[in-house]
Amino acid sequence: ETGVTQTPRHLVMGMTNKKSLKCEQHLGHNAMYWYKQSAKKPLELMFVYSLEERVENNSVPSRFSPECPNSSHLFLHLHTLQPEDSALYLCASSQEVSDRVYGYTFGSGTRLTVV
Amino acid sequence: AQSVAQPEDQVNVAEGNPLTVKCTYSVSGNPYLFWYVQYPNRGLQFLLKYITGDNLVKGSYGFEAEFNKSQTSFHLKKPSALVSDSALYFCAVRDGGATNKLIFGTGTLLAVQP
Repeated sequence: ETGVTQTPRHLVMGMTNKKSLKCEQHLGHNAMYWYKQSAKKPLELMFVYSLEERVENNSVPSRFSPECPNSSHLFLHLHTLQPEDSALYLCASSQEVSDRVYGYTFGSGTRLTVV
Repeated sequence: AQSVAQPEDQVNVAEGNPLTVKCTYSVSGNPYLFWYVQYPNRGLQFLLKYITGDNLVKGSYGFEAEFNKSQTSFHLKKPSALVSDSALYFCAVRDGGATNKLIFGTGTLLAVQP
């Protein structure tokens, strides 16, 4: 257990469905991230939240909608996805402190399959 | 923009032999470099990081990495490989922006044969 919990672990959804991925961190970190991991490709940073504010959106299609209601929770709302969106979605958290460099703590991911 | 390259998709090594997983980086300022490992159906786990100081960084599970500024490399090493080291390894560099954003390589699959 890393302190970052993602649910569900697996999700199969149709292209017309709406679903949400959840991430919760128990580490007291102040930044959270969504990454997409597809086979043979680098991890793609999707969204960055710092102190509950979205500070980065890397040209992610609008069918992905993040939400960060507080510093411990991060959601990724999904609607009208495409088969190419099938991937492992990873959540991570970190502590951002001025002039200090920390690594991330990752959750185990949600394996998403769009049919 | 910051970036890292992992030139090998897969590295094969016999158990007990030394292993090296290669990483080169490109940064505009001081490099902050990381190695992560991913086991099947799991998230990434932190192994080690280089911020400043000694060029040889020691990390978890007996791994170490050597920072080489002239070659812009940060190769991951272990003196004696274990079958249980078989996993996907990612090199990462911190982006120089305001957020603690990590840019990852494509990953190298390490296969240790018994």
